[in-house]
Amino acid sequence: DTEVTQTPKHLVMGMTNKKSLKCEQHMGHRAMYWYKQKAKKPPELMFVYSYEKLSINESVPSRFSPECPNSSLLNLHLHALQPEDSALYLCASSQALGEDTQYFGPGTRLTVL
Amino acid sequence: SQKIEQNSEALNIQEGKTATLTCNYTNYSPAYLQWYRQDPGRGPVFLLLIRENEKEKRKERLKVTFDTTLKQSLFHITASQPADSATYLCALDTGRRALTFGSGTRLQVQP
Repeated sequence: DTEVTQTPKHLVMGMTNKKSLKCEQHMGHRAMYWYKQKAKKPPELMFVYSYEKLSINESVPSRFSPECPNSSLLNLHLHALQPEDSALYLCASSQALGEDTQYFGPGTRLTVL
Repeated sequence: SQKIEQNSEALNIQEGKTATLTCNYTNYSPAYLQWYRQDPGRGPVFLLLIRENEKEKRKERLKVTFDTTLKQSLFHITASQPADSATYLCALDTGRRALTFGSGTRLQVQP
């Protein structure tokens, strides 16, 4: 099973809402990633978890809060977002940090009204 | 700061021709470089990884070269098909053990 799943596929939320994005992989990978991708731009790294510990935070605003409850799951909690946060949010995993191939999920298309 | 540039935002070629995409980087000496394909509204899919001590790598109709002196990688698709139309992204580790992606090249193969 080389699949990374993400839910929901689409999410529309207001600026005062609290929502969560979920990501799951069952490949035994120990590194998991959140990326943000705006239209016609490359994915931009947000957070990296390695062995369930936060390894990299790319100075992401605190209205985005990542969580890694176990080695298969990665969440991104959203609160008080701005319209400019509307984007495709991609989750990825790899065997470990470093040169390993990253496997990406299909993404969650987020719209903030 | 590290810059990763892909030579053109868009590339249009005729079916059957070879597509050549370029990735240039500055201010770093990566141990490896990866190429991904991304279709609209979907996550990137890994294609090839080439290490600094490898000059060339092939996979079916794909070929990647890596010139660490020029700080450049070339990505070739031979006998291109309309199904090859997608955005192609190069990516490398800029020292944090996490990937940074280039700006991408949108390839359109005309039948």
